[in-house]
Amino acid sequence: ETGVTQSPTHLIKTRGQQVTLRCSSQSGHNTVSWYQQALGQGPQFIFQYYREEENGRGNFPPRFSGLQFPNYSSELNVNALELDDSALYLCASSLGQLNSGNTIYFGEGSWLTVV
Amino acid sequence: AQSVTQPDIHITVSEGASLELRCNYSYGATPYLFWYVQSPGQGLQLLLKYFSGDTLVQGIKGFEAEFKRSQSSFNLRKPSVHWSDAAEYFCAVGVRYNNDMRFGAGTRLTVKP
Repeated sequence: ETGVTQSPTHLIKTRGQQVTLRCSSQSGHNTVSWYQQALGQGPQFIFQYYREEENGRGNFPPRFSGLQFPNYSSELNVNALELDDSALYLCASSLGQLNSGNTIYFGEGSWLTVV
Repeated sequence: AQSVTQPDIHITVSEGASLELRCNYSYGATPYLFWYVQSPGQGLQLLLKYFSGDTLVQGIKGFEAEFKRSQSSFNLRKPSVHWSDAAEYFCAVGVRYNNDMRFGAGTRLTVKP
């Protein structure tokens, strides 16, 4: 139990639609990262939020966007869904960043299927 | 660019046998290295991490890993595997300036009775 909770756990969307995934980080954690894990692959970094601002982004198009709220919870939004967006989306929280020696804790993820 | 290679896609060991999972990384500086475990349908659980100092790192569930700079490796070991260790194991290298971790493709561990 990492204290990172995500919702919904599973959802099915149609190509072209939009989706919002939510994450509640561990208490006191001010940094949230999102990862995409396609079937049979390792997670890939989407982006990171620190104190409500994006401060790092992986190789994902702008239709992947996010928000972090004052209570440090976070959302991942994906517009114009494509079939390849089908994946497990993992939220991870930490108190600060890796270069300060912090540990990142992952939630159990949201399974998105695009049909 | 930072990257991680896990050469073994699938490993099968007998319960009670020793285990070694291989991980090689590519990174220009001293890396932050991690091993995570993922059970089916679950998120990632941190087994251990290396930031600096002693190159032999102890983790949870009886796992350990050794950082070898000369070989760019961070192999995970366990002296005696239990049936509950069956899962997917991921090695990751951390990019120092944010929480961008580059993961390997994973090694699936099957434990035979």
